[in-house]
Amino acid sequence: ETGVTQTPRHLVMGMTNKKSLKCEQHLGHNAMYWYKQSAKKPLELMFVYNFKEQTENNSVPSRFSPECPNSSHLFLHLHTLQPEDSALYLCASSRSGKETQYFGPGTRLLVL
Amino acid sequence: AQKVTQAQTEISVVEKEDVTLDCVYETRDTTYYLFWYKQPPSGELVFLIRRNSFDEQNEISGRYSWNFQKSTSSFNFTITASQVVDSAVYFCALKLATQGGSEKLVFGKGTKLTVNP
Repeated sequence: ETGVTQTPRHLVMGMTNKKSLKCEQHLGHNAMYWYKQSAKKPLELMFVYNFKEQTENNSVPSRFSPECPNSSHLFLHLHTLQPEDSALYLCASSRSGKETQYFGPGTRLLVL
Repeated sequence: AQKVTQAQTEISVVEKEDVTLDCVYETRDTTYYLFWYKQPPSGELVFLIRRNSFDEQNEISGRYSWNFQKSTSSFNFTITASQVVDSAVYFCALKLATQGGSEKLVFGKGTKLTVNP
C-alpha cells in the first residue's frame, strides 16, 4: 500500500530554526505513529495517536512536539534541534491499534 | 523485556542465489505478532508479512518464504532465486500491546541485502 505520504522528503535546518514535518494517510486508518531511524540504530517509536488522542510518548525530548488534528493528518513540530537529531523520520498508520502498520517514505532531516 | 535480534548485518549474494535472513526474538508474552518489512533505498518501509504466535505454519509467497519456529524463537525469511531488485534492508519486528490498545513494534537492527548481477 502506498497510502501514507510525508512532506518534505528532505529537510536541512539550523539548530535555531522551527520547522514541521507532515504526514497524511489516505487509508481510512485511525492510528498514526512517528518513528525515528538513526544510522546504525533500530527504529525507535516516538509517538502514537489513536483517534486523534496521544496514547504513547516514548520519552521523547520536548523539542519534538506532535500534533494530530484529525485521524488523517499527523505533524511533528521541531524547534531548537541538535545535530544528533539528524535522522530519517518515518510516519506510519494502522486501521486500529491492533492492525498492521503501513509506513510513509520518510523525511530525511539534517540538523546543522 | 522484548527484543529482536538480526545477527546478520550485511549479506551479499549473486543473482539467482537463495538467501536466508535470520530473526530471533525474545518475549514473555504468549500472544504476539511477528513482521517482516523491506526498506529499499528510497526509505519507505514496505510491509511483507505478519504472523501471529498461534500460527506456526510456514508461508510461501512467490519467491519469498517464512519459517516460524516457536521452539527456537525464530522467524527466518528466505528469498529464492534472488534478484537485483531484492536489494534492500530487511527488518524483522515484534508487536507488543501497549496502553490504549496501540501497537508498539520492536524492530531488529535490520539486515542489508545486496544482490549483485
